[in-house]
Amino acid sequence: GENVEQHPSTLSVQEGDSAVIKCTYSDSASNYFPWYKQELGKGPQLIIDIRSNVGEKKDQRIAVTLNKTAKHFSLHITETQPEDSAVYFCAATVPPTSGTYKYIFGTGTRLKVLA
Amino acid sequence: DTEVTQTPKHLVMGMTNKKSLKCEQHMGHRAMYWYKQKAKKPPELMFVYSYEKLSINESVPSRFSPECPNSSLLNLHLHALQPEDSALYLCASSQSSGGVTGELFFGEGSRLTVL
Repeated sequence: GENVEQHPSTLSVQEGDSAVIKCTYSDSASNYFPWYKQELGKGPQLIIDIRSNVGEKKDQRIAVTLNKTAKHFSLHITETQPEDSAVYFCAATVPPTSGTYKYIFGTGTRLKVLA
Repeated sequence: DTEVTQTPKHLVMGMTNKKSLKCEQHMGHRAMYWYKQKAKKPPELMFVYSYEKLSINESVPSRFSPECPNSSLLNLHLHALQPEDSALYLCASSQSSGGVTGELFFGEGSRLTVL
């Protein structure tokens, strides 16, 4: 089945610097790659996503890039702020055999933005 | 309304108790999910319902019993749990249909402690 690896597991950056989190996936049939932010005591919340027919997507300070050939995708956060501190999960979706998509999550990155 | 509502937020139960977790969404989503999340780990898929029918069971022990009474509601019945079942249980829903997957909307979770 699909396997998603995520690095690094922890990341500390100074406020204003950029942060990059990388994920690789194993199933070449995966076609949708969301990124989730999870704050303490809350459920994960989607921050950006990309589909397999697109190489890059940007939303203000957040961008995601996808390399289908290498089967990896990355989250880029620029001008980091203390409120960006959270755990970030990448995910890949596997097209259904049963009619329902499965979302397979990476292991998570704990981002700390130091003021 | 883009919310997934989970109740209760916290639940403490003994190993002989029977309890239920409830989830509700009013976004018209036809796919609903239960995930289990242990501390510092990613969400782990348990069950998926598609159009009110169980489509994925990730080999979850029978002490966890899901139920989808209608398209807006999802329950997880708990019986004879073990202390290692203590975790955050997340409900999610998505539009996924017609071969196109979309955003997975998560609730805030139910934190379960088994004594």
